[in-house]
Amino acid sequence: QKEVEQNSGPLSVPEGAIASLNCTYSDRGSQSFFWYRQYSGKSPELIMFIYSNGDKEDGRFTAQLNKASQYVSLLIRDSQPSDSATYLCAVTTNAGKSTFGDGTTLTVKP
Amino acid sequence: EAGVAQSPRYKIIEKRQSVAFWCNPISGHATLYWYQQILGQGPKLLIQFQNNGVVDDSQLPKDRFSAERLKGVDSTLKIQPAKLEDSAVYLCASSPGLAGGSTDTQYFGPGTRLTVL
Repeated sequence: QKEVEQNSGPLSVPEGAIASLNCTYSDRGSQSFFWYRQYSGKSPELIMFIYSNGDKEDGRFTAQLNKASQYVSLLIRDSQPSDSATYLCAVTTNAGKSTFGDGTTLTVKP
Repeated sequence: EAGVAQSPRYKIIEKRQSVAFWCNPISGHATLYWYQQILGQGPKLLIQFQNNGVVDDSQLPKDRFSAERLKGVDSTLKIQPAKLEDSAVYLCASSPGLAGGSTDTQYFGPGTRLTVL
């Protein structure tokens, strides 16, 4: 079992729809959870982080964390073609160890 | 604020040759990471430094890869000898670190694309 698993893609949604990206992790000592976006040929860049159970909203993006279920998700509302990218889930443990998932590729069709 | 700098951006070598990559993190960032990213996969952590101490190098192939972070600032990653399967993008990232939470946010450099022939 991988330490961080993301739903296999690719994921395709029409413009204006909600895109839902999911991530599960195995280490119960995990304390910080990040979503990064990576455009083709570019480096990852941070979208948002969350470390408390519940929802955290930032513009069109909402991160959800459920530590009991070891699950973190990212919702993208009103998806735009510019959101087409690979989304990486990253988890940091309380020992400071960082692990990335393999990413989910999202395509938003006009 | 200057971002994470990496060089070279591209490198082509033949198998069994050696290669070195350089990274200069964001000023003041305590934690520095080296990742290997193979096409279609997520970044795989090779080594993580906090200041000039190693936090995690469990996935570093120590028979051929080495890394150092002198004086807790910039870092070099070396591969000697290279194999075909080392062809990948090598990403360097830094984070403020030390306090958990948002201080674990990683800022990535542009990466070095290595091709081993």
